[in-house]
Amino acid sequence: EAQVTQNPRYLITVTGKKLTVTCSQNMNHEYMSWYRQDPGLGLRQIYYSMNVEVTDKGDVPEGYKVSRKEKRNFPLILESPSPNQTSLYFCASSWTGSYNEQFFGPGTRLTVL
Amino acid sequence: EDKVVQSPLSLVVHEGDTVTLNCSYEVTNFRSLLWYKQEKKAPTFLFMLTSSGIEKKSGRLSSILDKKELFSILNITATQTGDSAVYLCASSNGNQFYFGTGTSLTVIP
Repeated sequence: EAQVTQNPRYLITVTGKKLTVTCSQNMNHEYMSWYRQDPGLGLRQIYYSMNVEVTDKGDVPEGYKVSRKEKRNFPLILESPSPNQTSLYFCASSWTGSYNEQFFGPGTRLTVL
Repeated sequence: EDKVVQSPLSLVVHEGDTVTLNCSYEVTNFRSLLWYKQEKKAPTFLFMLTSSGIEKKSGRLSSILDKKELFSILNITATQTGDSAVYLCASSNGNQFYFGTGTSLTVIP
């Protein structure tokens, strides 16, 4: 089944404790992206990757890191999480960034205390 | 600044009504306009529009893009309770995607 998977689905952590949210797709998509969704602010793009080893900042990259060492995986790293990073995070992928729909993962609800 | 604005913010209708959701965009090097439906989980894709004036249709849902006036509409006819959701509009410049804050639609039986 074609899908985007994220782990963990739920995470409660404390300020400053490094964490990684994994994202994997099995559709051989070139384009992958991370979003955060907050009430009243909608979905905002954190980072995106056009292909392996090619990543770039979205609208809200501060406090986040990503890497794209393999085509299927695009982990999101929070080196020192803070409470303002409490949010619902979505990973998405598509064939390219231009003319293709994005497939979204199920979401990761992160709470930073 | 690239942005997407949706209206109205929320809408409550009765089953059988027709609704029109609006999306205006300002995106440099525009490539596509996308509509998604979100029901308390991940957004699911509805339409992608790249050309002006060509209506995309899927059952009771349809959408059209006006690249001159920089807006798109999503129409839902004969609404059903299963149409209750947040409808998201997004625009892409080929690299980045810009989402509106969504329109929350509630369909009352």
